[in-house]
Amino acid sequence: DADVTQTPRNRITKTGKRIMLECSQTKGHDRMYWYRQDPGLGLQLIYYSFDVKDINKGEISDGYSVSRQAQAKFSLSLESAIPNQTALYFCATAQGGQEETQYFGPGTRLLVL
Amino acid sequence: QKEVEQDPGPLSVPEGAIVSLNCTYSNSAFQYFMWYRQYSRKGPELLMYTYSSGNKEDGRFTAQVDKSSKYISLFIRDSQPSDSATYLCAMSDEATNDMRFGAGTRLTVKP
Repeated sequence: DADVTQTPRNRITKTGKRIMLECSQTKGHDRMYWYRQDPGLGLQLIYYSFDVKDINKGEISDGYSVSRQAQAKFSLSLESAIPNQTALYFCATAQGGQEETQYFGPGTRLLVL
Repeated sequence: QKEVEQDPGPLSVPEGAIVSLNCTYSNSAFQYFMWYRQYSRKGPELLMYTYSSGNKEDGRFTAQVDKSSKYISLFIRDSQPSDSATYLCAMSDEATNDMRFGAGTRLTVKP
C-alpha cells in the first residue's frame, strides 16, 4: 500500500463550486504539505502543517484553505473554485528535524471549467 | 526573479551519455539541497539529498553543491532509458523550513 494517498486522483468541477482534496499518510510523519504543480512553474507550496494544531501559509495560499484533522490526514479546500486553479495538486509528508526529505503522494489532477 | 532557476529543457540524450542538470538559486540561507525525480503521472520521489556544500555520489548519480556560486548540479553517468523523467531540484532553509522547487528539467534518454 502507498505511504501517501490522495483522493480523488482526478476531478472536474465548475467555477464557483467548493471542492475538497484529501490526503492520508501511514508514515507516521508530523509534517504535511500541499503543493500545486503547473507547467514551467514547478511545485509551489500552498499550505503546510507541522502538527495537528499547526497550520502555515505557503507561497500561494489565497483561494485555498486546509484542515489537519489528525496526524495522518491533511485536506485542502477550494472554497469557490476558479479556472486558474486548474493544476496538479500534490500532498507530501516529512519527518522533520534534520531529515528534510519529503515523500509525495500520487497527485490529484483538478480541472476547473 | 524566481528564488530557484532551472532550465525546463527538454533535454534529449542517447543511452550511455553523461547528463548534467543544474539549478541556480538566490537565497543564501538555503542549506539543504535535493534532487527529485518525477515520472509521468507520478509524484516526485527523492533521488539525492545533500547538506551544505560538497559532492555526494550514489551509484550512477552525483550531486554537487557550490554555495559560493549558489549553484547545484546533478550528474547521471551511463544514462539509461529508465532515467527518462522530469528532474526537480529543491532546497530548504533550516531556520524557516521553507522549501523551494525548481521548475523541473524534462529528460529523455533514447535507446
